[in-house]
Amino acid sequence: DSGVTQTPKHLITATGQRVTLRCSPRSGDLSVYWYQQSLDQGLQFLIQYYNGEERAKGNILERFSAQQFPDLHSELNLSSLELGDSALYFCASSVYPEPLYEQYFGPGTRLTVT
Amino acid sequence: GESVGLHLPTLSVQEGDNSIINCAYSNSASDYFIWYKQESGKGPQFIIDIRSNMDKRQGQRVTVLLNKTVKHLSLQIAATQPGDSAVYFCAENSNDYKLSFGAGTTVTVRA
Repeated sequence: DSGVTQTPKHLITATGQRVTLRCSPRSGDLSVYWYQQSLDQGLQFLIQYYNGEERAKGNILERFSAQQFPDLHSELNLSSLELGDSALYFCASSVYPEPLYEQYFGPGTRLTVT
Repeated sequence: GESVGLHLPTLSVQEGDNSIINCAYSNSASDYFIWYKQESGKGPQFIIDIRSNMDKRQGQRVTVLLNKTVKHLSLQIAATQPGDSAVYFCAENSNDYKLSFGAGTTVTVRA
C-alpha cells in the first residue's frame, strides 16, 4: 500500500458525459501527479500540482482539467468523454516539486466510456 | 540468466535465474532515472532509482546500470522469483517537471 488513495476504483459512463476522479496523496506529500495509462499509449503524464499550484503540464487534453485543494487532495475532471478516453488514470504523490525523487502511485481508477 | 539486448516487450525467465531488462532513453540531458514495477491491477511501484552522476546502483536483489554514452539503462534482478512477474517500466525526467515512461517489459517467471 503506497499510502495514495484514489476513488472510485471503477467508473463506467457514456460518451459526452463528465466525470471527476479523486486522489488523496500520502501524508506529508505536497506534489500530486496525474497519469493516463492506455494500451496503445502507455503511461502518459498529464499534469502536476504542488501545494495547490499547477506545476507542469503534459499531454493533457483541453477537455480535461484538474485542481489541488488546500487539504492537498486533487481532482481530475474529464468532460465531453470519448471512447478513446477509456483508460486507467493514476495519481502519484511525492514530497518535492521536482520529479527527481520517488513518486508513489495510487491503485488507479479504471474509466470505461461506452 | 537471460538478457534482452534491445528493448523487447516480453521476457520469459526461469525461476532462480537472473533477469536483465533493458531500456533506451531519449534525452541526453536527463539526470534522473527510475525503474517501476507494475503488477496486474495495481499502480506502478518504485523499485530503484539512479542519478546521472552514477553508473551503477544496487538494491535488494536488483541492480540498475546506467550507460550515458549510449543512453541505455538496465535493471538486473537476481534469482528471479514468481513474485517478480510484472510489467517493468523505466522512466527518465526528460525535463525539470516531467517523467517520461518507457513502453514497459512484461516479465513472466517460469516455475
